[in-house]
Parts: sequence; structure tokens; C-alpha cells
Amino acid sequence: DAKTTQPPSMDCAEGRAANLPCNHSTISGNEYVYWYRQIHSQGPQYIIHGLKNNETNEMASLIITEDRKSSTLILPHATLRDTAVYYCIVRVTQAGTALIFGKGTTLSVSS
Amino acid sequence: GAVVSQHPSRVICKSGTSVKIECRSLDFQATTMFWYRQFPKQSLMLMATSNEGSKATYEQGVEKDKFLINHASLTLSTLTVTSAHPEDSSFYICSARQGVGQPQHFGDGTRLSIL
Repeated sequence: DAKTTQPPSMDCAEGRAANLPCNHSTISGNEYVYWYRQIHSQGPQYIIHGLKNNETNEMASLIITEDRKSSTLILPHATLRDTAVYYCIVRVTQAGTALIFGKGTTLSVSS
Repeated sequence: GAVVSQHPSRVICKSGTSVKIECRSLDFQATTMFWYRQFPKQSLMLMATSNEGSKATYEQGVEKDKFLINHASLTLSTLTVTSAHPEDSSFYICSARQGVGQPQHFGDGTRLSIL
């Protein structure tokens, strides 16, 4: 699976959009971009995933650049409950192997 | 959505005790489940892959005789930490995938504290 790079931490004001970047410059054509988050003392929660088109669901939007070398997870209106560690993971979706987690980005949302 | 249930959520026990953690997929069948361990302020580390009806595959450095994994049905995998010691204290998290191409879903973890 391709390596990803994320900033270690970010701050966001409550109610504002949180834009979390992820670099995956070595991504290959059949690898998807997955985003998970982990709220303190809980298991990771699936957020969204995509291949090359932008994706949106009830939790977030995922914007993938045209060359697929980077992506941004957008939480449109961050709340205090969105404070968590956010993980960007690249993998072949058909693979039967486990997700491998990097260090992620610690997002702190404050009022 | 898919739910993975993990039990117990917290265990405190004496050194030398064996501890069993259960992981269930509640609304789907999971031929493959995964076990992770997480130490404070660190990321999740994959311990092993559990396949229904066959032996688990352990990651390098994880002792298979120490961490016994059983995946007897399509909805249940168990991790037994045998003869636990204080250094085994950690947050253990299980995960399951509904099928190929589906996202992995995670349990809420078990915090194990060995005194």
C-alpha cells in the first residue's frame, strides 16, 4: 500500500469547516483513499473513501486531486465532537489484508 | 450500518491471569477479522488476521502462543491473552470487513490493565 503523509495536528473553530490534507504521491491506479477517525478511547470509525472522483456522505466530503497524489477530507461544520485523530489510508480495495494505520492528524475543535 | 461489538470494554486483572476478549459482527458475516493493539499516544498496530475456520496469521514480533486467536464462526473471533503481564496492558481493538471491497469496521476496544 502507498505511503501517506499527514500533518500531526490541526486546530479548527467550532462551526467552521475543517480541511484535513493527505499526501499520497506514490498511489497506484487501483488504490483507494480511505479516511477513518478515532475519538479518544474508542475504536476507529469509518468516514469515507474514494478512488478518483470526489465523494460526499453525511459525515464528510473527500476531494481527490486530478493526479490523485493528494486528497482533502472536509468536515463542513466542525463540532466539538469531531475532535479526534484522523487517519488517511491508501490501499487496494479488493485486498483481503488489514488496514495499516500511520500517525494521523490530531484535529482539535474548540469553541 | 455494520456494527462490530467487542466485549469486555475494560478488564483489570492480576499478573499471570489469562484474559479472553470477544469480537462479534452483529449484522453481517465476517470471514476475516483483524486484531490490533494500541499503546498510549501511539497508532494502532496490527497483531493478527483471523480467518474463520483456519489458523490466524500473526504479524512479525507477535507471539502466537501468547495471543491465542480463535475464529470459530462467521460472526465471532476471540483473542486470549495468556499469562498476562503488566507489559501486556494496552488497548486491544478488533475489526471486521463485511466482504471484499467493503470498509473495515471496528469495535470500541478493550482496555486491558494488568496489575
